[in-house]
Amino acid sequence: GIQVEQSPPDLILQEGANSTLRCNFSDSVNNLQWFHQNPWGQLINLFYIPSGTKQNGRLSATTVATERYSLLYISSSQTTDSGVYFCAVGYDYKLSFGAGTTVTVRA
Amino acid sequence: GAVVSQHPSWVICKSGTSVKIECRSLDFQATTMFWYRQFPKQSLMLMATSNEGSKATYEQGVEKDKFLINHASLTLSTLTVTSAHPEDSSFYICSARDDRDSYEQYFGPGTRLTVT
Repeated sequence: GIQVEQSPPDLILQEGANSTLRCNFSDSVNNLQWFHQNPWGQLINLFYIPSGTKQNGRLSATTVATERYSLLYISSSQTTDSGVYFCAVGYDYKLSFGAGTTVTVRA
Repeated sequence: GAVVSQHPSWVICKSGTSVKIECRSLDFQATTMFWYRQFPKQSLMLMATSNEGSKATYEQGVEKDKFLINHASLTLSTLTVTSAHPEDSSFYICSARDDRDSYEQYFGPGTRLTVT
């Protein structure tokens, strides 16, 4: 199956800081999603981004499919941004998840 | 839009009993749904793909006789954990793909199963 690597595994930020999370994958994909898992376990869809660039408020994402990586940018971080961020990739319907990046934003 | 619900949100059962978890797409039709399992501090692992009107496709290593999946309608899939044991305790999450949309999946809030 497709291998998915996320980095860094852990990230500690001061409120207001910017950060970049990276997702590398091992094969061609036509499905890539970024999620934020809240403390109750709910996965929140952040971006569906198999290619290109998207922005939603303080978050943006870029996927370079030909080079097999995607980046998630968090700007002006807030304490509510804390949690685990997952990248999931696949071809067609099946998704393979990375191990996640645990983000802690300190006030 | 694109809301997926799960019921129950948590359940405690005794060893040897069976428990059923429901996954519903509330505002869209989903021919295809997915069941994942997540252990504490770990990532999500796909267990099976549920297809309306046909048999589920299980991932390697997942016992299909233990984890029974029924996709009875375009908005409902169920996962039944049969003869549960403590090692089946986990967080089970379903997702669904909107038939009208892209490959994007929408996830339910999860069900925490504890087997005593």
